[in-house]
Amino acid sequence: DQQVKQNSPSLSVQEGRISILNCDYTNSMFDYFLWYKKYPAEGPTFLISISSIKDKNEDGRFTVFLNKSAKHLSLHIVPSQPGDSAVYFCAGGAQKLVFGQGTRLTINP
Amino acid sequence: GAVVSQHPSRVICKSGTSVKIECRSLDFQATTMFWYRQFPKQSLMLMATSNEGSKATYEQGVEKDKFLINHASLTLSTLTVTSAHPEDSSFYICSAEGLAGYNEQFFGPGTRLTVL
Repeated sequence: DQQVKQNSPSLSVQEGRISILNCDYTNSMFDYFLWYKKYPAEGPTFLISISSIKDKNEDGRFTVFLNKSAKHLSLHIVPSQPGDSAVYFCAGGAQKLVFGQGTRLTINP
Repeated sequence: GAVVSQHPSRVICKSGTSVKIECRSLDFQATTMFWYRQFPKQSLMLMATSNEGSKATYEQGVEKDKFLINHASLTLSTLTVTSAHPEDSSFYICSAEGLAGYNEQFFGPGTRLTVL
């Protein structure tokens, strides 16, 4: 049972444009959602989070949107930069984190 | 920021041997640490939650006797893969819980285990 799904294994975006990464979940008990960035052979790095009582959280170039009725969240990166190229994981939390499969984002110059 | 280290970063061992991986919180104390496993191009799967001074809580399907976890101090948790087999080859990542709770986890750099 996959509680957190990232259906796009990869995404390619032009530098300067907006990157939108999507995530769906099934567990309505999640009270927190987080996005992590990961490079190969390294641990994940926290990017941004959102509480289940909110629908938007913004931090610089990163914005996370939460649609509870659709059980969907998305991460917007604008403008996208080459250094944003990495694998992005979303995670849902209810006393522990459940991760999606990740989306590999490539920013093209 | 909070730093978590793992040692070793990479280990290659023969089938049947045991391997110990250390996870340390360098500049903060962590009552709770988590151990994850990641297969190539797959998600991070939580293996167990490690609490200082008590027994670890294992996720369903994770063998307690195979993956021994010890959290002897507020800055150190160890994962020992006993009698390792090739199917145990994976990327093991630990995290330490911050003051905000499970939704504030600081991840280590991971350990690549290859069992021949």
